[in-house]
Amino acid sequence: EPEVTQTPSHQVTQMGQEVILRCVPISNHLYFYWYRQILGQKVEFLVSFYNNEISEKSEIFDDQFSVERPDGSNFTLKIRSTKLEDSAMYFCASSLRTAYNSPLHFGNGTRLTVT
Amino acid sequence: GDSVTQMEGPVTLSEEAFLTINCTYTATGYPSLFWYVQYPGEGLQLLLKATKADDKGSNKGFEATYRKETTSFHLEKGSVQVSDSAVYFCALPMNRDDKIIFGKGTRLHILP
Repeated sequence: EPEVTQTPSHQVTQMGQEVILRCVPISNHLYFYWYRQILGQKVEFLVSFYNNEISEKSEIFDDQFSVERPDGSNFTLKIRSTKLEDSAMYFCASSLRTAYNSPLHFGNGTRLTVT
Repeated sequence: GDSVTQMEGPVTLSEEAFLTINCTYTATGYPSLFWYVQYPGEGLQLLLKATKADDKGSNKGFEATYRKETTSFHLEKGSVQVSDSAVYFCALPMNRDDKIIFGKGTRLHILP
């Protein structure tokens, strides 16, 4: 069964550094998402992406965050200047149709640790 | 606004016990409803879904019925196993927004 893959599985960075989290969504999916989970708690929506543009974003997704689909397969999340509170598990997801009508398929996540 | 509320955990049960995890929602319209499961060290996996009122979603022995009259989507299993130990999330798509929102999650421990 096709799956969403994320790399790296664990990323350690110093405060103020830029990080790029990478995701390969399921190949025929059209909608892409980033969520994060702090300390195994609530799963929080960050951003959704369709047709090469952001379709929805949360208050968490401020100017320090950006997303990109640089080619036909990768979907990346960039944090320009990391803060301690950015430490979390970041999950990429994709879906065939809009989230209203189609379940999301999640990767296994990237654990980001900011020191 | 749209929201989903699920029972707080952790829930600890013995193997073969009956499980209920409550989930209620507030929504505009009639969205699909989902339960996701997160096993230790893994991402979220879709467990089951229901697309309209009175639908029953089922998978791996788990069931949930979409009840419009009580705005609920409770997760049940008749006989739990140790391997069911995980965190369970009720989830709701947002009307006209391209995202789903999750409940806070319920951690389930099954004792042998």
